Amino acid sequence: DAKTTQPPSMDCAEGRAANLPCNHSTISGNEYVYWYRQIHSQGPQYIIHGLKNNETNEMASLIITEDRKSSTLILPHATLRDTAVYYCIVRVAGNSGYALNFGKGTSLLVTP
Amino acid sequence: ETGVTQSPTHLIKTRGQQVTLRCSSQSGHNTVSWYQQALGQGPQFIFQYYREEENGRGNFPPRFSGLQFPNYSSELNVNALELDDSALYLCASSGGLDSYNEQFFGPGTRLTVL
Repeated sequence: DAKTTQPPSMDCAEGRAANLPCNHSTISGNEYVYWYRQIHSQGPQYIIHGLKNNETNEMASLIITEDRKSSTLILPHATLRDTAVYYCIVRVAGNSGYALNFGKGTSLLVTP
Repeated sequence: ETGVTQSPTHLIKTRGQQVTLRCSSQSGHNTVSWYQQALGQGPQFIFQYYREEENGRGNFPPRFSGLQFPNYSSELNVNALELDDSALYLCASSGGLDSYNEQFFGPGTRLTVL
């Protein structure tokens, strides 16, 4: 699985959009980009995933660059409950064995 | 529909002891994965079970072993505990090897080794 690079920490004001970047310059053509988050003392929670098209669900939007070497997770209206560590992971979907290779992630602090 | 549950929530052991952690997968899920999360780090993959067979393993020594039962619940066993085994142990279930949408994580078991 391709390695990802994320900033260690970011701040965002409540109500504003939080844009979390991720670099995955060695991503292969069949590798998906996944985002999980982990709120303090809880298990990780799936947010969204995509291959090459932009994706949106009720939690967030995922923007993947055309060359697929980077992506951005967007939380459109951050709330205090979005304070968490956000992990960007790339892997082959449907591959036998489903290990998620978490890095250190980005610690997002949403402030009032 | 019940989510992934783990027991116990907290555990304190001493070096050299053995520990068993338990996980009940989400209803309808036949695949369980275990992760170790040290303080300040992301979760690290230990191993995965699919239909009672080990399906993949991370870089962990053989003293980390597991089982999956016919009802797809699972156990993680750690022998000869070391101080560095102190961590949050996470269990995650999914609907199968071809399921790529989501792994559902439990709340974890916090193990402290003294």
